[in-house]
Amino acid sequence: QKEVEQNSGPLSVPEGAIASLNCTYSDRGSQSFFWYRQYSGKSPELIMFIYSNGDKEDGRFTAQLNKASQYVSLLIRDSQPSDSATYLCAVKGGSYIPTFGRGTSLIVHP
Amino acid sequence: DVKVTQSSRYLVKRTGEKVFLECVQDMDHENMFWYRQDPGLGLRLIYFSYDVKMKEKGDIPEGYSVSREKKERFSLILESASTNQTSMYLCASSVTGTGRSYEQYFGPGTRLTVT
Repeated sequence: QKEVEQNSGPLSVPEGAIASLNCTYSDRGSQSFFWYRQYSGKSPELIMFIYSNGDKEDGRFTAQLNKASQYVSLLIRDSQPSDSATYLCAVKGGSYIPTFGRGTSLIVHP
Repeated sequence: DVKVTQSSRYLVKRTGEKVFLECVQDMDHENMFWYRQDPGLGLRLIYFSYDVKMKEKGDIPEGYSVSREKKERFSLILESASTNQTSMYLCASSVTGTGRSYEQYFGPGTRLTVT
């Protein structure tokens, strides 16, 4: 059984701080890693994907992948109240179907 | 721009009714998926399809069926709705590709209430 684990939170950070969201996965054959953001009552939207070890930056977001340790993380710099949402980690191997974590709730307070 | 649409945002049905949820994508994607999402349980895959008329069961197919007669359209059918099928239903699509990437694009979701 492929598993993707995330701390459910909530993770609470002050505005302007760095929010760090973590995800671990069980399948060593995993190739692609995705972070989705989901606002309450809305559908998930992709914010980052990564498939090579190391860091990938896009604006205020940085995804970090460590395949040896089987974890992927998302850093959000200069967190804003509008970043308050649930963040879903998804991991995909060679099949069509990603495995999703249950998500981490992030609250950015002013 | 990528687009996945679902037939209804909110739906209220009675126990025992047959319910159709429709999903349409305009990206020529091969793969389409139906999930349900419940608090604390995350996204659970009901069915997916990798080609027209092809379907595969996901993790929780009981009480559901699907139909894919055209590439762009994937329907989820609740044969006889029950109260435990009250949930948010999400459709997604993706491209088929070898190896990496190829993320899923989600529709806006249908919040179904069965009374």
